[in-house]
Amino acid sequence: DAKTTQPTSMDCAEGRAANLPCNHSTISGNEYVYWYRQIHSQGPQYIIHGLKNNETNEMASLIITEDRKSSTLILPHATLRDTAVYYCIVRFLSSNTGKLIFGQGTTLQVKP
Amino acid sequence: NAGVTQTPKFQVLKTGQSMTLQCAQDMNHNSMYWYRQDPGMGLRLIYYSASEGTTDKGEVPNGYNVSRLNKREFSLRLESAAPSQTSVYFCASSLTGKGRSGNTIYFGEGSWLTVV
Repeated sequence: DAKTTQPTSMDCAEGRAANLPCNHSTISGNEYVYWYRQIHSQGPQYIIHGLKNNETNEMASLIITEDRKSSTLILPHATLRDTAVYYCIVRFLSSNTGKLIFGQGTTLQVKP
Repeated sequence: NAGVTQTPKFQVLKTGQSMTLQCAQDMNHNSMYWYRQDPGMGLRLIYYSASEGTTDKGEVPNGYNVSRLNKREFSLRLESAAPSQTSVYFCASSLTGKGRSGNTIYFGEGSWLTVV
């Protein structure tokens, strides 16, 4: 599985969009980009995943660049409850090994 | 629909004691996993089970055993607990290879284990 690089921390004002970047320059053609978040030592929570097209669900949007070497997770209207560590992970859809290289993630602090 | 359920949530053990962490999922997933997370660290895979009846070692299997009791349940056993096994343990599951929404790993809320 390809490695990812994320900024260590980011701040966002409550109500504004939070844009979290991730670099995955060694991603292969069959690897998906997954985003998880972990709130204060709770279990990691799945947010969204995608291959090459932009994706949107009730939680967030995922923008993947055309060359697939980077992506951005967008929380459209951040709330205080979105304060968490966000992890970008690259993984094969068919992988059954369960190995997730979480890295250090981005600590997002949403401020009032 | 409870998702992934782990028990117990908190446990304190003495060195050398044994215990089993229980995990069950109600999402009809084929794959199940056990991870540990030490303070300030990412998750590390202990063992996984790609299907009922099969188990495989992950990154840090030493000191642990697992049992895939049936499709729903996957237990983690510490035979002789050591202080180095003090950690938060997460069970997870996924539906591997089943359509584009497959293979998303869903996690339980964690079990806090302290070995003194």
